[in-house]
Amino acid sequence: QQQVKQSPQSLIVQKGGISIINCAYENTAFDYFPWYQQFPGKGPALLIAIRPDVSEKKEGRFTISFNKSAKQFSLHIMDSQPGDSATYFCAASYGNTGKLIFGQGTTLQVKP
Amino acid sequence: DADVTQTPRNRITKTGKRIMLECSQTKGHDRMYWYRQDPGLGLRLIYYSFDVKDINKGEISDGYSVSRQAQAKFSLSLESAIPNQTALYFCATSDFRANEETQYFGPGTRLLVL
Repeated sequence: QQQVKQSPQSLIVQKGGISIINCAYENTAFDYFPWYQQFPGKGPALLIAIRPDVSEKKEGRFTISFNKSAKQFSLHIMDSQPGDSATYFCAASYGNTGKLIFGQGTTLQVKP
Repeated sequence: DADVTQTPRNRITKTGKRIMLECSQTKGHDRMYWYRQDPGLGLRLIYYSFDVKDINKGEISDGYSVSRQAQAKFSLSLESAIPNQTALYFCATSDFRANEETQYFGPGTRLLVL
């Protein structure tokens, strides 16, 4: 069973637009929600992360919105750039176990 | 990330062969992980190790084994490879002592089992 469900599978956005990727989780024990970015031929790298005590976290053009009651969280990329074209993974873990449960991934293409 | 290295980067093997994928890190982290990545499935945890004497199974450990030879080295073995183990394999590390949950991934090993 997929404990973290991610959508959409792929996304095409024009340069300057907003990219939105959504994730839903099932386990209410999860207390850490990171997003990882992966470029072709590379390993994933942490982009931004949030804990459930806040509803939003912003770092530059990247924002995580978190809805604890709905068990959903999303990544917003403002002013999307061609250099943002990559695969994005949401993930969840709990209790500092280090055991990340990943979503299925979203391939983002930002067109010039 | 050059701090986490994986060898080989690409490997083709035949069904039934035993192979080993190696991971080394210079970050000084206690925790190390092995994941596999499949299209449409994301990354799934195979094994993880919190220190040299602590090794744990992840979501999908069947058909795999691991060895933590030192703090810096964590190897993944496929005892008898099968075609559905064809995937992209990643090693990762994190620093528990700093209560830092960021995982740092290596560049991956692309494995094809014929």
